Amino acid sequence: KAGVTQTPRYLIKTRGQQVTLSCSPISGHRSVSWYQQTPGQGLQFLFEYFSETQRNKGNFPGRFSGRQFSNSRSEMNVSTLELGDSALYLCASSWGGTGSGTDTQYFGPGTRLTVL
Amino acid sequence: AQSVTQPDIHITVSEGASLELRCNYSYGATPYLFWYVQSPGQGLQLLLKYFSGDTLVQGIKGFEAEFKRSQSSFNLRKPSVHWSDAAEYFCAVGQDNNAGNNRKLIWGLGTSLAVNP
Repeated sequence: KAGVTQTPRYLIKTRGQQVTLSCSPISGHRSVSWYQQTPGQGLQFLFEYFSETQRNKGNFPGRFSGRQFSNSRSEMNVSTLELGDSALYLCASSWGGTGSGTDTQYFGPGTRLTVL
Repeated sequence: AQSVTQPDIHITVSEGASLELRCNYSYGATPYLFWYVQSPGQGLQLLLKYFSGDTLVQGIKGFEAEFKRSQSSFNLRKPSVHWSDAAEYFCAVGQDNNAGNNRKLIWGLGTSLAVNP
């Protein structure tokens, strides 16, 4: 079974631009979560999508948004990039259905975003 | 608010030595606890998880962890470390949303493990 894939792996943008990152979950998984990883703040939860609906949300500004498609693939978008948005963005997939409180999240390799 | 503390930022051990990585959590209810490992340039791989039942949990790669409610701890252990264990280790606690689906993980800042030959 193929793992979680994220594209692109590396991205360089300048301040003020916007960026879209993509995540393809494991086949059969319907939940996709996004995390931001930085050396200073560690891993922080951005949001989770399940069946094309945002189900959980972290404490990030509205510049960070996401969506999920009917095939469970997800994208996250960051508008008006700031220097502080430089980070590794990780996507995790899981089955996510009702009563799935204990299922495991499987992570992709991440997208390394650098904002200049 | 839920939080996870990993007191050791960096640990160095010799190959073959035993290892214990500490994790303390703050959570009002019964926690869902996880240990993940991240190798350089890689995503996160689940080592083990605790939800209920036996407080000693066995994981992959010879790791185990023990849940101690009285100490709010979930320390990771391995009896004999291999050079390939050098990586970043993260402890996380799962936070239920209202629907009871545990989708939001609160993370510790990680412990970087170096292994001397």
